Amino acid sequence: EAGVAQSPRYKIIEKRQSVAFWCNPISGHATLYWYQQILGQGPKLLIQFQNNGVVDDSQLPKDRFSAERLKGVDSTLKIQPAKLEDSAVYLCASSFSGSGYEQYFGPGTRLTVT
Amino acid sequence: DQQVKQNSPSLSVQEGRISILNCDYTNSMFDYFLWYKKYPAEGPTFLISISSIKDKNEDGRFTVFLNKSAKHLSLHIVPSQPGDSAVYFCIGSARQLTFGSGTQLTVLP
Repeated sequence: EAGVAQSPRYKIIEKRQSVAFWCNPISGHATLYWYQQILGQGPKLLIQFQNNGVVDDSQLPKDRFSAERLKGVDSTLKIQPAKLEDSAVYLCASSFSGSGYEQYFGPGTRLTVT
Repeated sequence: DQQVKQNSPSLSVQEGRISILNCDYTNSMFDYFLWYKKYPAEGPTFLISISSIKDKNEDGRFTVFLNKSAKHLSLHIVPSQPGDSAVYFCIGSARQLTFGSGTQLTVLP
């Protein structure tokens, strides 16, 4: 079974530029999550999708971050414009349903904002 | 507000000995607690869980203990192996997963 795929693996941009990350969840998983992991901290949930609808985006900085999950499969997370404090690893995870706790994580995208 | 705290950023143990990773929490609404482990350049992977109504769950070399009155849980790994060297996250589960900051375990051969 293929795992959660993410791209790119690494990205370096200057502040005020925009960036987008892509995630392909495990086939058949209805729930998709985006997390932000700042160095030295645990992952923090940014947004949760159930199929192509948003379940929870309470911690997403909506003035600069946006996410979509068209057709209930792949998802993209965008930051525009980026700030220095956005430097982090962005993890995508998926699960069969949103009621369980076992989530499958991708390898993450390491973003550096200079 | 850190709802899940892992106060030890790192831990080193000798191969074959017991590893004990500790975690404290403040949110009484957590209904499950989980431990995930993470290797470099990989995403976290599920290791073991415990329901908030239990006080112990065992899976092979891994045992998680929950003390609800103290709002404390611990993960025991016996015997520790070099392949166990990873970052271990303690997690509380309510509507979403709330991660601690992680403990880097190093098992020395």
